[in-house]
Amino acid sequence: DTEVTQTPKHLVMGMTNKKSLKCEQHMGHRAMYWYKQKAKKPPELMFVYSYEKLSINESVPSRFSPECPNSSLLNLHLHALQPEDSALYLCASSQVDMGFGTGELFFGEGSRLTVL
Amino acid sequence: LAKTTQPISMDSYEGQEVNITCSHNNIATNDYITWYQQFPSQGPRFIIQGYKTKVTNEVASLFIPADRKSSTLSLPRVSLSDTAVYYCLVGGYGGATNKLIFGTGTLLAVQP
Repeated sequence: DTEVTQTPKHLVMGMTNKKSLKCEQHMGHRAMYWYKQKAKKPPELMFVYSYEKLSINESVPSRFSPECPNSSLLNLHLHALQPEDSALYLCASSQVDMGFGTGELFFGEGSRLTVL
Repeated sequence: LAKTTQPISMDSYEGQEVNITCSHNNIATNDYITWYQQFPSQGPRFIIQGYKTKVTNEVASLFIPADRKSSTLSLPRVSLSDTAVYYCLVGGYGGATNKLIFGTGTLLAVQP
């Protein structure tokens, strides 16, 4: 199984809503990532988890709250988002080598978020 | 962090070999070079990774000169389905950070 599964595929939410994006992998990878991608732009790194601990937060606003409940799951909790947060949110995983993720990331298909 | 620079776009025809070059002048000793392919509304897909010299797999080759300040992704005999954005990344493998930062990417358009 070389898949990273993201749910939901599409999400529409208001600025006062609370929602969550979910990501799951069963490849035994111990590094997991959240990226945000706007139209016609490259993916932007948001968070990195290594061995279920947050290792990198790229100065992401607190209205985005990541969670890694176990080695297979990664969540992104959303609260009080702004319309400019509308984007494709990509989850990825990788093996860990010497304590760091390797360069081979396996991406999910993404969750398309629209904030009204 | 090593920053990458790629051409914004390239055009090619079916059956031709395509070479996309990426510049990464500030690459660190521990950094690897990785290339990804992305189709619209899909997640990026790993193509190839290398550290130095030449790496080849079933879909592409990666050429890295001795100074490692650039790399070239070579796609043999492209087809229409190779039309995509190609990203060069530098990092990973126990370097000072495992931040894998995407550059601006190269939009490859393959014509019949």
